[in-house]
Amino acid sequence: DAGVIQSPRHEVTEMGQEVTLRCKPISGHNSLFWYRQTMMRGLELLIYFNNNVPIDDSGMPEDRFSAKMPNASFSTLKIQPSEPRDSAVYFCASWKTENTGELFFGEGSRLTVL
Amino acid sequence: SQKIEQNSEALNIQEGKTATLTCNYTNYSPAYLQWYRQDPGRGPVFLLLIRENEKEKRKERLKVTFDTTLKQSLFHITASQPADSATYLCALSQYNTDKLIFGTGTRLQVFP
Repeated sequence: DAGVIQSPRHEVTEMGQEVTLRCKPISGHNSLFWYRQTMMRGLELLIYFNNNVPIDDSGMPEDRFSAKMPNASFSTLKIQPSEPRDSAVYFCASWKTENTGELFFGEGSRLTVL
Repeated sequence: SQKIEQNSEALNIQEGKTATLTCNYTNYSPAYLQWYRQDPGRGPVFLLLIRENEKEKRKERLKVTFDTTLKQSLFHITASQPADSATYLCALSQYNTDKLIFGTGTRLQVFP
């Protein structure tokens, strides 16, 4: 199995630009999570989907952040406009609900906003 | 407010000793608790899950305890090795939700 695949691995952009992060979950997994990790705040849950439907987006910082899951094999996290404080590593993770327990993480997308 | 606390200071121990990491939580009623390992530049990797009705779980050199009265989990690595050096994260899931909330992690350094 290829695991959770995220792209890009690294992104450097200027303040005000739109950023789109992409995630392909493990085939057969029906729940997908987006997390953000910083030194100060650790790993924060932004949003999660179950069967492509957003269930809880209470962790999304503000309206500049949006996430979609148009099908079972693809999700995006978009930041528009980006700000320097959005600099972090963004992780996507997935699991199969009936096997609740083991969350599989991607390798992360490191975002730097100048 | 809900809080998951792990010792933010790094834990330095000598090879062969037992490493013990602590995870404390407040204002949660977790259905289960998990431990993950994270290496620099990588995503977290699942290690163990313990349910609220279980006291202890073992996997090879790893042992996890879960005390819902104390609201605490202890994570032990016996016969520690330099390869065990990493950051270890605990995570909680509330009942009736798939939401998995992580602590900030404790960095473990095992030196020869």
